[in-house]
Amino acid sequence: AQSVSQHNHHVILSEAASLELGCNYSYGGTVNLFWYVQYPGQHLQLLLKYFSGDPLVKGIKGFEAEFIKSKFSFNLRKPSVQWSDTAEYFCAVSRSGGSYIPTFGRGTSLIVHP
Amino acid sequence: DAGVTQSPTHLIKTRGQQVTLRCSPISGHKSVSWYQQVLGQGPQFIFQYYEKEERGRGNFPDRFSARQFPNYSSELNVNALLLGDSALYLCASSPMGQGNQPQHFGDGTRLSIL
Repeated sequence: AQSVSQHNHHVILSEAASLELGCNYSYGGTVNLFWYVQYPGQHLQLLLKYFSGDPLVKGIKGFEAEFIKSKFSFNLRKPSVQWSDTAEYFCAVSRSGGSYIPTFGRGTSLIVHP
Repeated sequence: DAGVTQSPTHLIKTRGQQVTLRCSPISGHKSVSWYQQVLGQGPQFIFQYYEKEERGRGNFPDRFSARQFPNYSSELNVNALLLGDSALYLCASSPMGQGNQPQHFGDGTRLSIL
């Protein structure tokens, strides 16, 4: 079975600091990769996704993620965080083709101090 | 456009009881998935339904069941409730339920078991 690891469970940053959240998965085949965000009091929403092509994908609100196949990683980055980026971030993986059974990481709680 | 709607928002039950949670997908979406999210963890996949048929099932006991109706809405049923079933239950919809389609999440139903 596939698994997803998010190494940073809690991250605290000051505004304007750079952000990188790690995500590693265990499945060796072709995958679809997602980052979801949950702002306080809101539902989970898609931040960005990767299916194929350019391994550097750009999402909403200045976020980007890079798929490194050799490292089974899909790390999320933002050059300069804002207070409004305070949220819970989830990495998710699904297999390409076949039945759709997505696996989520346990999440990273990001707090940005103004 | 209305997003994914779930009802009820909160529910309190006692051990051994049965519960039914409801979900209406985004208009035009034919696939509905259910997740269980325990505090401090990421969403864990329970079921996916597409065109009224079960397409995927996570590692949950038979006490958990679901169905999808002709209008694509869905119900999740849990029998013989245990304390460990206390969680946030999320419903998500997507157009076709394929692995490369992101999920659109509702706000969830908070289930508390006493």
